[in-house]
Amino acid sequence: GAVVSQHPSRVICKSGTSVKIECRSLDFQATTMFWYRQFPKQSLMLMATSNEGSKATYEQGVEKDKFLINHASLTLSTLTVASAHPEDSSFYICSAGGQGGLRFFGPGTRLTVL
Amino acid sequence: DAKTTQPTSMDCAEGRAANLPCNHSTISGNEYVYWYRQIHSQGPQYIIHGLKNNETNEMASLIITEDRKSSTLILPHATLRDTAVYYCIVRVANSGGYQKVTFGTGTKLQVIP
Repeated sequence: GAVVSQHPSRVICKSGTSVKIECRSLDFQATTMFWYRQFPKQSLMLMATSNEGSKATYEQGVEKDKFLINHASLTLSTLTVASAHPEDSSFYICSAGGQGGLRFFGPGTRLTVL
Repeated sequence: DAKTTQPTSMDCAEGRAANLPCNHSTISGNEYVYWYRQIHSQGPQYIIHGLKNNETNEMASLIITEDRKSSTLILPHATLRDTAVYYCIVRVANSGGYQKVTFGTGTKLQVIP
């Protein structure tokens, strides 16, 4: 099946630091990618839809100035957590769509903000 | 997307079949049933999907009732590595890949030695 990668897999940073997470579709092109956040013992919550060459679409309650998304190519989307704070600590997962409505997910990025 | 209802948790003995139910009574005629699972601290993994016929692949079988209002995911011989949260999602299939997918709470399957 299709592969989606994320980098880094884990990041620990100080409060106030900006953190960039990359999501790549390795063997297919994705005009649309999705970013999720998952807190412990909770389900995945969709944060935003990343559109290649245009602005991202954010879900209600997600701050677009806090979670900056750039989808500069058909295989790469980046999520930047601006001025991260401890409450932003979470598991961030990206997803890209394939044929037939399938979705492929990255392995996730564990963000810990001290 | 149609709403789904799944039990919060289930246990299954190792080597036995795990049968995970999902109710989707408001499913529309053009909506498929998808199953994903998420092993702890990993991204979700696609398992199987179907429209109305039963489906089988190397991972699992999907049984959809005739009225399509419910389905069952079957792991024929559960192993400890199958311990995960299993998500049943109902949505319209498309080839564009642009439709977002939302997750419910899923079923936490614990495979017991």
